[in-house]
Amino acid sequence: AQTVTQSQPEMSVQEAETVTLSCTYDTSENNYYLFWYKQPPSRQMILVIRQEAYKQQNATENRFSVNFQKAAKSFSLKISDSQLGDTAMYFCAFMPTSGTYKYIFGTGTRLKVLA
Amino acid sequence: EPEVTQTPSHQVTQMGQEVILRCVPISNHLYFYWYRQILGQKVEFLVSFYNNEISEKSEIFDDQFSVERPDGSNFTLKIRSTKLEDSAMYFCASRVSGGLAFFGQGTRLTVV
Repeated sequence: AQTVTQSQPEMSVQEAETVTLSCTYDTSENNYYLFWYKQPPSRQMILVIRQEAYKQQNATENRFSVNFQKAAKSFSLKISDSQLGDTAMYFCAFMPTSGTYKYIFGTGTRLKVLA
Repeated sequence: EPEVTQTPSHQVTQMGQEVILRCVPISNHLYFYWYRQILGQKVEFLVSFYNNEISEKSEIFDDQFSVERPDGSNFTLKIRSTKLEDSAMYFCASRVSGGLAFFGQGTRLTVV
């Protein structure tokens, strides 16, 4: 069975500082995508960044970057220059590129950016 | 940018009542999904739908749930007799073949 684990239920960071959110996953698939979603209090799911497993280069989107370690099945999110608007729940998700392409989510990390 | 639209954004229903959650997927998408998120918990897969039939469903998706694509644009989730524990955020998603899913903004269902 495929699983996604986020071991940090809550984290906090000072505004303008850098924070890293951890995610590990378990799968026997070779081809898949990994995602980080942000969920603000409105509970809408906002895609932050995605990574294709066959790409060795880590994805980057402005202040957001990932550290993808395929052999270790690790996919952490780094947020640089944290802003108050980054305060939200962050979910790591896995999607195999086979079968029904369903998403499997982790339990989330609640991030609070402190002024 | 195309988006998946869900209505209503919030629905309150009495326990035991039937409820239908509606989704309008992106127009050229062929694969449709429903996910559920109980407050404070993770997002969980409910069901996937393709070519007018269920392609996969989770253990959560029992006989009280059903899905339908009644016309060329809507994709609905029906809960036949709601229970208190059905209170959750329900997300619809759609994708093209081989593509990534686009999620709707969610419908918050409150069963009282």
